[in-house]
Amino acid sequence: QIVLKESGPTLVKPTQTLTLTCNFSGFSLTTSGAGVGWIRQPPGKALEWLALIYWDDDKRYSPSLKNRLTISRDTSKNEVGLTMTNVDPEDTGTYYCAHRRTGDLWFDPWGQGSLVTVSS
Amino acid sequence: YVLTQPPSVSVAPGQTATFTCGGNNIARETVTWYQQKPGQAPVVVVFDDSDRPSGIPERFSGSNSENTATLTISRVEAGDEADYYCQVWDFGSDHPTFGGGTKLTVL
Repeated sequence: QIVLKESGPTLVKPTQTLTLTCNFSGFSLTTSGAGVGWIRQPPGKALEWLALIYWDDDKRYSPSLKNRLTISRDTSKNEVGLTMTNVDPEDTGTYYCAHRRTGDLWFDPWGQGSLVTVSS
Repeated sequence: YVLTQPPSVSVAPGQTATFTCGGNNIARETVTWYQQKPGQAPVVVVFDDSDRPSGIPERFSGSNSENTATLTISRVEAGDEADYYCQVWDFGSDHPTFGGGTKLTVL
């Protein structure tokens, strides 16, 4: 059974850097083709994909946020991290990490989500 | 690539709910549908346009043609009330694109 769980701060001040961690179990990020993505959702709004990291450490970023995002992995800890620099109140929302299986064109399953509020 | 979904759909219990996802030549893409209940993470209800994961009722079905992909829920139940998102994978940039979501209200 694949399980993912996000962790990180619930409150961040504007201009600060947000750091989130996704801890997962039930699969290995060293398995060929496997990936973990980050997706966020502002309150009452739609899903927005942020970043994706693959088994071989290849990375993809949302073009609109590329300059502010860094995704990383620690295979020994079964963790994927996401940092977002220079946060703004518009970055408030629930941040999800999710598993992408080799060859799939979707994410499944997703973590429970981590609510982050950006406010001074 | 832009995916367009109507903001809301309302149906009575037992009726059929139809969700559309519009995109340019979307029939060339592979569409996934997610269900997101309040306070919960999204769950796949249809993948590869029309396949259902194990555990998803047969009442959920999908299709994809020309410029519109469709998710249909037959015999709608109160428990189906949720937001529904379509998603495709952009092979050129190797990333997913989500639609704006449709809120299902069961009257």
